[in-house]
Amino acid sequence: DQQVKQNSPSLSVQEGRISILNCDYTNSMFDYFLWYKKYPAEGPTFLISISSIKDKNEDGRFTVFLNKSAKHLSLHIVPSQPGDSAVYFCAADPAGGTSYGKLTFGQGTILTVHP
Amino acid sequence: KAGVTQTPRYLIKTRGQQVTLSCSPISGHRSVSWYQQTPGQGLQFLFEYFSETQRNKGNFPGRFSGRQFSNSRSEMNVSTLELGDSALYLCASTDRGGKETQYFGPGTRLLVL
Repeated sequence: DQQVKQNSPSLSVQEGRISILNCDYTNSMFDYFLWYKKYPAEGPTFLISISSIKDKNEDGRFTVFLNKSAKHLSLHIVPSQPGDSAVYFCAADPAGGTSYGKLTFGQGTILTVHP
Repeated sequence: KAGVTQTPRYLIKTRGQQVTLSCSPISGHRSVSWYQQTPGQGLQFLFEYFSETQRNKGNFPGRFSGRQFSNSRSEMNVSTLELGDSALYLCASTDRGGKETQYFGPGTRLLVL
């Protein structure tokens, strides 16, 4: 049972345009969400996070939107740069005191930004 | 601050052997989580340690175990290796393991032949 889903395995975007990566979740207990970027042979690098009490969080070129009623979040990258080409993972953290250290990850979306 | 470090970076083992991987968290971080990444299953949570105690565990067989030392460094061990254990093993650290950003190490690539 995949509780966090990234339904697009890949996305191709032109440099300078917007990249939109999507993530859906099924567990209503999730209340904290994160996006990570991963290059081959490296560990995931944290990009941005959002708590369920917000519907938007912005950090430079990266903005995450959360729609709790639809159980959907998205990451917008504007403008996209070739260096953004990587695998992007969304991850979710459930509410409650027994979820120590456990993030549930989506399968990832490969973003390719063409010059 | 130095980031999360993992050793070794690469390992080749044969079926039936055991392996120990090491993770040093960011200085001051007391929580260490371990994940397995495979092409088919993505990143799967193995377990989490805080102050030398395992607080959370994922759905992996008992062949996967871990421990944490008083300096917060952590090791994970896989016994009786199977071909399907070939994966990238990642550890991540936070201060307390609550609603915090997990910072990942570069991973250990394990190949089981």
